[in-house]
Amino acid sequence: QSVLTQPPSVSGAPGQRVTISCTGSSSNIGAGYDVHWYQQLPGTAPKLLIYGNSNRPSGVPDRFSGSKSGTSASLAITGLQAEDEADYYCQSYDSSLSDPWVFGGGTKLTVL
Amino acid sequence: QVQLQESGPGLVKPSQTLSLTCTVSGGSISSGGYYWSWIRQHPGKGLEWIGYIYYSGSTYYNPSLKSRVTISVDTSKNQFSLKLSSVTAADTAVYYCARALRYYDSSGYVDYWGQGTLVTVSS
Repeated sequence: QSVLTQPPSVSGAPGQRVTISCTGSSSNIGAGYDVHWYQQLPGTAPKLLIYGNSNRPSGVPDRFSGSKSGTSASLAITGLQAEDEADYYCQSYDSSLSDPWVFGGGTKLTVL
Repeated sequence: QVQLQESGPGLVKPSQTLSLTCTVSGGSISSGGYYWSWIRQHPGKGLEWIGYIYYSGSTYYNPSLKSRVTISVDTSKNQFSLKLSSVTAADTAVYYCARALRYYDSSGYVDYWGQGTLVTVSS
């Protein structure tokens, strides 16, 4: 059970906007640690999608955006495309744990 | 462009030691500011940190695996390695090597991943 909670699944139709939440606590997101997001396409390695809460690495479309507020963070995907169907993971740091680098449990995005 | 490539046996017998090597190209392991990491993913499951090594040689291991894990680095070959002893079927997973950018407060994120290698523990 991860300290970062994500919904197991979300879905949306092509062209729609979807959001994926990542809920933490006062010892991780709420303590000011950044949240990062990864996209894992089927059968491939995860890829950095958003770093530092809201920054996109070069090459990541601006359809993907991240935000953070309080003890939670969100990943938004606008103009949903079939190729966005993947697993999405949030990641942060938890100062209360002996294993401080933490991933969320992951969210499966289905494009209907 | 940094690239990481895992190598090692895809099949390991129970009770033996799993050994993987990650070869880094496009960047030097000796440069500071990065954690050279191992992360695994059990079939159909989420991501789990195994541990990492800093350029200085300091290491961090997941407490749940600490008694069985060793991560080492060979800067002359620009490689780092994972050894996991006394494996069982529960260690069957895809193993990723990765470069994690380290913030001043020891947090950070993974900016480059290897393609991953499936290691199956079975007799």
